[in-house]
Amino acid sequence: KQEVTQIPAALSVPEGENLVLNCSFTDSAIYNLQWFRQDPGKGLTSLLLIQSSQREQTSGRLNASLDKSSGRSTLYIAASQPGDSATYLCAVRNTGNQFYFGTGTSLTVIP
Amino acid sequence: NAGVTQTPKFRILKIGQSMTLQCTQDMNHNYMYWYRQDPGMGLKLIYYSVGAGITDKGEVPNGYNVSRSTTEDFPLRLELAAPSQTSVYFCASSYAHSNQPQHFGDGTRLSIL
Repeated sequence: KQEVTQIPAALSVPEGENLVLNCSFTDSAIYNLQWFRQDPGKGLTSLLLIQSSQREQTSGRLNASLDKSSGRSTLYIAASQPGDSATYLCAVRNTGNQFYFGTGTSLTVIP
Repeated sequence: NAGVTQTPKFRILKIGQSMTLQCTQDMNHNYMYWYRQDPGMGLKLIYYSVGAGITDKGEVPNGYNVSRSTTEDFPLRLELAAPSQTSVYFCASSYAHSNQPQHFGDGTRLSIL
C-alpha cells in the first residue's frame, strides 16, 4: 500500500524567504504527483501536477520536482509572501485510479 | 463558473440516521471522487467513478454507498451514521487523462452525535 509522508508538519518563515516543502512516497509505480494548497475551511486548490515521466513543473514562484526512483518530490516557493500561508498537500496517483495524500505541511509566512 | 459544488456545507446527524451528501460538477469531467479528511490524517479516498454507471471502492468504503447516474452528479450515501464518520467530506472531479489535475469542492462538515 502506498504511504505518503510530508515533512515538516509545520513551518514558519519570515516574508521574502525561499523555502522547500518535502513529500516522500513508498511505491514508485505512480502516474503523477500533484501539489495542492488548502486554506482553512476550504477545499483543495491544485498548484502543480507532475507526470511520472517529468522531472519538474513550474508556475510563477512555485517549482515542483519529482524523483520517482527515490520516491521524493519537493515544492520550492520563492520569495514567500504572507498570502502563501496555508496548508500544502501532496498526492500521488497510483495505477488503478487510486490517490494517496500526505498529511500536509502547514506554512505560516510572517510579515 | 461553478466547478464542483457540494451541499450541504454543514450537517449534524444523530447516530443511526441516514443522509446523502450531494456533489455536482459542470466541467464535463469523466472522473469523480469522494474523500474524507480527518484532523492530522490527510485525505482518504472513499469511492470513485470513471463515468456514469461505473463506481469503485477506494481505501475506506465501509459505511458508505455511491451512485453515478449522470456525468454531473455523484452523491455519497451514509445509511447508518456512526460517530466514526464525523469528518469533512470532499468531492473532486477530473478528466480521465493522467496529466489532468483534480478539482475540489469546498467540502461538507459532518458531525455524528
